Amino acid sequence: AQTVTQSQPEMSVQEAETVTLSCTYDTSESNYYLFWYKQPPSRQMILVIRQEAYKQQNATENRFSVNFQKAAKSFSLKISDSQLGDTAMYFCALSQGAQKLVFGQGTRLTINP
Amino acid sequence: GAVVSQHPSRVICKSGTSVKIECRSLDFQATTMFWYRQFPKKSLMLMATSNEGSKATYEQGVEKDKFLINHASLTLSTLTVTSAHPEDSSFYICSAEDSGSERPYEQYFGPGTRLTVT
Repeated sequence: AQTVTQSQPEMSVQEAETVTLSCTYDTSESNYYLFWYKQPPSRQMILVIRQEAYKQQNATENRFSVNFQKAAKSFSLKISDSQLGDTAMYFCALSQGAQKLVFGQGTRLTINP
Repeated sequence: GAVVSQHPSRVICKSGTSVKIECRSLDFQATTMFWYRQFPKKSLMLMATSNEGSKATYEQGVEKDKFLINHASLTLSTLTVTSAHPEDSSFYICSAEDSGSERPYEQYFGPGTRLTVT
């Protein structure tokens, strides 16, 4: 069975700092997809970034980038130049052939002014 | 693009009654939709996978007779909570996969429905 683990329940940084959120996962499949979703106080789930397991290059989306370590089954999210609007719950998620998303427990990130 | 709506956003019902939640993909077709439940400050728990024109696939531990799912068209899936009880109070979220997308396995989420059973 696939599992996703986020070991940081809460994190807090100052505005403009860089923060890294950790995620590890377990799967027996060789082809899968990894995602980071953001859930702000509105509770609308927003896709932040995705990574295809077959791609060695780490995905980047503006201030958001990932460090994908396939052998270690690690998928961390780095947020550069953090902004107040980045305050949210962040969920790491894994998807493989069955199309189901398996979510981690979430990390509550607070950006302080 | 890729917008998913849910209706209602909030609903309060009395114990023993049934309530229906709609999930619509507004600008794409969705062969597959998903229903999640989220408890306060917790992660999303997948309840069932809804497939257009066929029976839903429920996750282990989810009562299919209590949580009725219908996916009658490529843009609409409904979740009906039958004989609701206070313990069914929760935040329900749907998501949809764009059948014509070049990006597989990417789900688009609705804004959620807060159900309160009194």
